[in-house]
Amino acid sequence: AQSVTQPDIHITVSEGASLELRCNYSYGATPYLFWYVQSPGQGLQLLLKYFSGDTLVQGIKGFEAEFKRSQSSFNLRKPSVHWSDAAEYFCAVGASGNQFYFGTGTSLTVIP
Amino acid sequence: DGGITQSPKYLFRKEGQNVTLSCEQNLNHDAMYWYRQDPGQGLRLIYYSQIVNDFQKGDIAEGYSVSREKKESFPLTVTSAQKNPTAFYLCASRFSDTIYFGEGSWLTVV
Repeated sequence: AQSVTQPDIHITVSEGASLELRCNYSYGATPYLFWYVQSPGQGLQLLLKYFSGDTLVQGIKGFEAEFKRSQSSFNLRKPSVHWSDAAEYFCAVGASGNQFYFGTGTSLTVIP
Repeated sequence: DGGITQSPKYLFRKEGQNVTLSCEQNLNHDAMYWYRQDPGQGLRLIYYSQIVNDFQKGDIAEGYSVSREKKESFPLTVTSAQKNPTAFYLCASRFSDTIYFGEGSWLTVV
């Protein structure tokens, strides 16, 4: 069965520090992988996606993610966090039948 | 301006009443989805529709109903059979294997 695990429920980083949010997936075929960001009370905004090709993908707002098939991971990174990056982050996998499965999210707090 | 519009943003319902959440998209996307979001549980799929006049149950369809009479519209009705309807509801549509979300609707049962 398809599933997505985000092991960190909450992460706190200092502004200017680097960030890595973890995501592990379970899927039998080559997955379509996504990261979304959600501000409080808002919808989800697509940060980046991986379908095939280069395993390091660039997204909006300075984010990037790396697909590692051997580890079934798709971790999100940012070299220098800004206070405006504080939000909830969701990893998702796109499965056959056009369904999408989401992790439970990681809440990011940025301290000055 | 293209996008996915959900209305109302906030809705209060008395127990025993049905309520309908609106979702309209002008992106010409074929597939549309409804998700429910509760704290700490991520997003759970309620219903999805790949084409007009067709829809499938998701993981938590009990107590909900949908229709897809037009390509651009996918309303969700929360019925009185839904035992715990207070939640944040997200509508989405799909294009090129990627889904895009509306701004969500808060439903509170009072």
